[in-house]
Amino acid sequence: NAGVMQNPRHLVRRRGQEARLRCSPMKGHSHVYWYRQLPEEGLKFMVYLQKENIIDESGMPKERFSAEFPKEGPSILRIQQVVRGDSAAYFCASSSSPANTGELFFGEGSRLTVL
Amino acid sequence: AQKVTQAQTEISVVEKEDVTLDCVYETRDTTYYLFWYKQPPSGELVFLIRRNSFDEQNEISGRYSWNFQKSTSSFNFTITASQVVDSAVYFCALSGYHEAGTALIFGKGTTLSVSS
Repeated sequence: NAGVMQNPRHLVRRRGQEARLRCSPMKGHSHVYWYRQLPEEGLKFMVYLQKENIIDESGMPKERFSAEFPKEGPSILRIQQVVRGDSAAYFCASSSSPANTGELFFGEGSRLTVL
Repeated sequence: AQKVTQAQTEISVVEKEDVTLDCVYETRDTTYYLFWYKQPPSGELVFLIRRNSFDEQNEISGRYSWNFQKSTSSFNFTITASQVVDSAVYFCALSGYHEAGTALIFGKGTTLSVSS
């Protein structure tokens, strides 16, 4: 039973390029969360999605960031026109029920470096 | 607003010492959940425990134990007879039925270093 799969594990982009991070939740999980971890910081909630729906995007920056979780395929976190401040580890987590009632399973993270 | 505070940024101990990691939380919810996660140097996040606000019974799992005290809004984590493999960043987290959603709110983490 594969866990939460994130790819790429490491991504290097130049300023102004686009970054796409993918997350395949655990089998049977329809709740997906994205978190960002800056160096020396804890994890900050970004967005919560269920299949085809954004439930809570209160943690997403207003510009350049978007997320989707289509009916088929992985969840995608997209960062347009990346800047150096976007360098961070991005974690995806999934659960079979909302996070407050079930265990969140985390992926190994995607580490974005912006040059 | 919900908030989790882990006042200890870094702790260093020698193997076999006991160590307690503090976690204090703030919430207006009457129903909420508390979590601890471990992040070893490899970077993944490992779930350790989830407790709901109605269950104040302390829990022990091997060398790990958790002390939940609603009166002081604390959910402390103790490792008994620490080992080098316990070296990691430990995160306390909170979730509740707040208006925007049901995401976990994390503290900034405590880095535990256990030396031999």
